[in-house]
Amino acid sequence: AQSVTQLGSHVSVSEGALVLLRCNYSSSVPPYLFWYVQYPNQGLQLLLKYTSAATLVKGINGFEAEFKKSETSFHLTKPSAHMSDAAEYFCAVSAVGGGKLIFGQGTELSVKP
Amino acid sequence: GAGVSQSPSNKVTEKGKDVELRCDPISGHTALYWYRQSLGQGLEFLIYFQGNSAPDKSGLPSDRFSAERTGGSVSTLTIQRTQQEDSAVYLCASSIHFRTDTQYFGPGTRLTVL
Repeated sequence: AQSVTQLGSHVSVSEGALVLLRCNYSSSVPPYLFWYVQYPNQGLQLLLKYTSAATLVKGINGFEAEFKKSETSFHLTKPSAHMSDAAEYFCAVSAVGGGKLIFGQGTELSVKP
Repeated sequence: GAGVSQSPSNKVTEKGKDVELRCDPISGHTALYWYRQSLGQGLEFLIYFQGNSAPDKSGLPSDRFSAERTGGSVSTLTIQRTQQEDSAVYLCASSIHFRTDTQYFGPGTRLTVL
């Protein structure tokens, strides 16, 4: 069965510091992978997605993620954190054949001034 | 253009009552999904529609939960005889087709069962 594991339910960084949010997946077939962001009391917004093209994927707001098949990882990074990046971030994998997304437990990012 | 809309945004009900949650997908999107977000369980898939058919309803937690979609557009999620454990945020998403990768989410309905 497919699954997603996000390491760290809470990550805190200083403004201007590197952001690294970790995601590992389990899938029997080449996956489609996603990062979504959720701001308080809002729905999920797509940050970026991997669909078997380039392994380094660039998304919105300066975020990027690298697909590493050997490590079954899809970690999210941003070189310099901004206060507005404070939110919850979800990694997800698309089910085989399409349809539902399988989400990780989420990582809450705090940014300190 | 307009995104996915959901109504109501908040719903408070008493245990044992029935509730209906509505989702209006992006125009032209044939696939529609329901998820539930709660503190203990994270984001859980409930059901999805391709057109008016529901190929996967494996996530519905009990027979108190049902969903329908008519005209390939609006969907309603119904919870009968609500229980306190049904309290959660119910999120709806849509995509061009169920095999299309990107799902766009609505703002959610926060359900509180007293």
